[in-house]
Amino acid sequence: NAGVTQTPKFRVLKTGQSMTLLCAQDMNHEYMYWYRQDPGMGLRLIHYSVGEGTTAKGEVPDGYNVSRLKKQNFLLGLESAAPSQTSVYFCASSYLQGGYTFGSGTRLTVV
Amino acid sequence: GEDVEQSLFLSVREGDSSVINCTYTDSSSTYLYWYKQEPGAGLQLLTYIFSNMDMKQDQRLTVLLNKKDKHLSLRIADTQTGDSAIYFCAERRAGNTDKLIFGTGTRLQVFP
Repeated sequence: NAGVTQTPKFRVLKTGQSMTLLCAQDMNHEYMYWYRQDPGMGLRLIHYSVGEGTTAKGEVPDGYNVSRLKKQNFLLGLESAAPSQTSVYFCASSYLQGGYTFGSGTRLTVV
Repeated sequence: GEDVEQSLFLSVREGDSSVINCTYTDSSSTYLYWYKQEPGAGLQLLTYIFSNMDMKQDQRLTVLLNKKDKHLSLRIADTQTGDSAIYFCAERRAGNTDKLIFGTGTRLQVFP
């Protein structure tokens, strides 16, 4: 099993460009999450989903959109990238009451 | 407050025990977790404890939970250089739609 796979692993964007980060899980988990990790701030929840077709805002949703059209995929979009969105992005999935399985992260730099 | 708090750094000598501390906020939290993050990698679940337990041991790892003080600790016995990483505690709050709230992480450095 691959677990949670994130693509791409690295990306450099110019301010104002858009992009989509893809997260795929093969564990049939209902719940999926997008976090960003910044130095000294731990992990902050951007958006999450409790099932196919559902999404909800987390702690820091502004500037991001998400979609969960298929159970196994959770997409994170940046419509107009800003330097403040330079970060490492992690996707995770879980079943109810279970621990999270994390992807290996996407390192995004916005210049 | 809403934060799960951890000290930022811990440095220990190889072979000694490491104790990483965490203070969480919600007395109704059901599960508490410890994750390990190695450089350039995602978070890996190390262990977890149910809120009705006060201790859990798993090989070199011992988790202690003090519900009264909302304090969680992770003890690593015989710390090795491979244990150098960032350690995150996380709490699952009751009725919070299965979201985990993470601490800021403690960077453990093990020196020879």
